[in-house]
Formats: sequence, C-alpha cells, structure tokens
Amino acid sequence: EVQLLESGGGLVQPGGSLRLSCAPSGFSLSYFAMAWVRQAPGKGLEWVSSISGSGDTQYYADSVQGRFTISRDDSLHLQMNDLRDEDSGIYYCAKYVESWWQPVFDLWGQGNLVTVSS
Amino acid sequence: DIQLTQSPSLLSASIGDRVTITCRASQGINNYLAWYQHKPGRAPRLLIYPATSLKSGVPSRFSGGGSGTEFSLTISSLQPDDFATYYCQQVYSHATITFGQGTRLEIK
Repeated sequence: EVQLLESGGGLVQPGGSLRLSCAPSGFSLSYFAMAWVRQAPGKGLEWVSSISGSGDTQYYADSVQGRFTISRDDSLHLQMNDLRDEDSGIYYCAKYVESWWQPVFDLWGQGNLVTVSS
Repeated sequence: DIQLTQSPSLLSASIGDRVTITCRASQGINNYLAWYQHKPGRAPRLLIYPATSLKSGVPSRFSGGGSGTEFSLTISSLQPDDFATYYCQQVYSHATITFGQGTRLEIK
C-alpha cells in the first residue's frame, strides 16, 4: 500500500524547535514535489511550505517564513524553529499529483501532532 | 494572495438530501480549483480536480462545477459516509497555496 509515514511531533515550549519527517512507503518521493499542510485546533487547513521535486525551490507561508525550513532526501523534512503557540496543530505531509505548477495533493500522511506550550 | 470564501460554514442535512457547497475566489482562477473531504483523525482526501473532474474512485454522487471565481461542490444524495468537512483549494498560484475555510457537513 502506498503511504506517507510521519514522525517527529510532540510537545515543545515556546521558542523551541522540532523536526518533522515524512517517509514514503510503497513508492519513492523522487521527482514529486511535496508540501506540509497544518490544521490548528478547531481551524481549517493551512498550507505551510512546499518543495520542488529536485529540492532546489522552496516556498513558505508568511506565517512561518524565516522560522521553518523544508528539505528532502529520501524523505521529506520540516525543521521548525522559534515555535509559537499558534504553530500548534496537526501537521500533514502531502504529495503533489504531478506538476510543481499545479499544487494538487493526492496522497497525505496520517498527521503528526505538534503542541507548543509552556 | 488569492482568497477563497466557502459557504456555508456549517451545513445540516439528512441522508438522501442534495447539498451544494460554494467556493468564491477573490480573483479569476480559471478552473484551477480542487475539492477535498476531511474527516477527524484521517488524512484529507482529494475528490475533484480540476473544478469539474471527479478523481478516480470517488462516487459519482459528487460533482463539481464552476470556473473563474465561482465554484460549487454538489452531493446528489447524501450517504452516511459523506458527513465530513469539505475544503476548496486554489491551484492557480503554485507559490502561495490557499484553502477555503471549510464547510462542515453534519447530520440533521
């Protein structure tokens, strides 16, 4: 079965750091653009960041620019620094269907809970 | 950034009802719109992309319409499995991705 398996979430104090990872199962991430999408408690889906299939282009939401870094090797990663209360939520990794130019997500991870609290 | 406004935010309906959710974009996006279904504790599921094309495996009671700035998701006859939250997402801008705020579909 084709899946994305997430890891790395947890509880962290404000100002702290976490690194999320997303590993493919049943296929390779090679050449697929990937993204992180989050959902704060009681809120809707919010795009966080995307990375091209080659890894040479990254985009970030204004809310995380300068604090989060997306990267990839055989897996997808999200380094989150200077975490704030409003960064709490479930983080999903998501695979683009095809083109980097059309960010449609056809496969999602199961979600990883990040809680920022003192 | 392109803003998406969904209506209603909450929709109460019964099994067998026909329901429509609308999504309005702040600027024209041709047919570059996707629809997702999201249930608590589950990963979102792609239903429709582009605006009127049903993804393989999605039941035919789901349909998408519209182009430009006005879009719709219609479920022709609600089934128990359809109660979830639905999101539209614009695919026009690849550098700034936005979702609608969501429409929660609940059982009346």
